[in-house]
Formats: sequence, C-alpha cells, structure tokens
Amino acid sequence: GENVEQHPSTLSVQEGDSAVIKCTYSDSASNYFPWYKQELGKGPQLIIDIRSNVGEKKDQRIAVTLNKTAKHFSLHITETQPEDSAVYFCAASIIGNDMRFGAGTRLTVKP
Amino acid sequence: DTGVSQDPRHKITKRGQNVTFRCDPISEHNRLYWYRQTLGQGPEFLTYFQNEAQLEKSRLLSDRFSAERPKGSFSTLEIQRTEQGDSAMYLCASSTRRVETQYFGPGTRLLVL
Repeated sequence: GENVEQHPSTLSVQEGDSAVIKCTYSDSASNYFPWYKQELGKGPQLIIDIRSNVGEKKDQRIAVTLNKTAKHFSLHITETQPEDSAVYFCAASIIGNDMRFGAGTRLTVKP
Repeated sequence: DTGVSQDPRHKITKRGQNVTFRCDPISEHNRLYWYRQTLGQGPEFLTYFQNEAQLEKSRLLSDRFSAERPKGSFSTLEIQRTEQGDSAMYLCASSTRRVETQYFGPGTRLLVL
C-alpha cells in the first residue's frame, strides 16, 4: 500500500520568511495530493491540493509542487505570519481510494 | 454552518465500556470516511462509505469496531469493550464521488481510563 513520508517534523521560521515542507510517496499510481492544516483541538482543514496532471498550483501565499517522476511533492508558504503556526499534513491517494497521511510538520512562525 | 459535524466532541470512558460516535457529513456528500489520529501522528484511515455501502475497511478496524451509515446520511462508529489503546481522536470526513476533496469534522477525542 501507499506510504507517505514527511519532512521536517518541526520547522521554525521568522515572520515574513518562507517555509517549505516536503513529502515523498511510494505508490506511483497515486494521483491526488492534498495538504491539510491542523490547529490544536481541531480537525484538519484543507489548504491546497494538486492532481497528477499538473506540476504546480498556487493560491495566494501557498503553493504546491509535484514531481511524479521522483514521487515527491512540496508545500511552500511565503511571507509567513504567526497565524500560519500549526501542524501541516500531506497526503496521497488514488482518487476513489483511501488516503494516506504523512506524520505531520509542526510549523512555528516567530513574530 | 454546513460543514461536517461530529458528536460528542469529547468522551471519557472506563476500559471495557462501549462507546458510540456520530458523524453528520456535508449534506450533498455521498462519501463518508472515518479516521483515527493519535498524538503526534497523521490521521489513519479506518473505513469509508459510499451512500449506505461500506466499501473498504482498514486492518486497523478490529472486530470491536463497527461503523454504519444506514440511510446514506449520518454515520455512527461504535467501539465495544474499549481498551486504553483506543484512546485517540476519531475524525470523520466527507466528499462527493466526483471530486475527491475530503472535508474533515472537528473530531471526537476519546480517553479510555
């Protein structure tokens, strides 16, 4: 089955800097890659997703890149703000099947 | 609010007791998923429904766990004879068949003493 690895497990940046979180997956058939943000005591909230037919997607300060050949995808957050502090999860799935999550990255943005 | 809702938000129980959780998906979503999340880990898939049919179950779903979605709307997850290792956050998500995006509820945090 699918295995997703996520790095780093913790990331601390200064406000205004960029943050990058990377994930690798094992199943070359996976074609859907969402990113979720989870704040303490809450469920994961979708922030951006990408499908295998595109290599990059951007939404304001957030972007995701996908390299299907290398089987890795990354989340980029620019101009970070203290409210970006949370745990971020990547996931991979074959559309129509169950989703596998990475172990999470705890992002801290220092004011 | 038209998001996914879960009830209760917190549950404390003694080992050996049975517990039941409820999930109400987004109204037009015909797919419903259950996940379990332990501290410091990502959500782990347990099972999912398309309408009222349970289409897939993880090996994590032991015979003490049962899930239902009798009318294709809300779902319940029951854990019988709870064990301390069942302590976790139980998350529900829903999606449409056409668009895979899963939207999560706030979760039910279970503590088994």
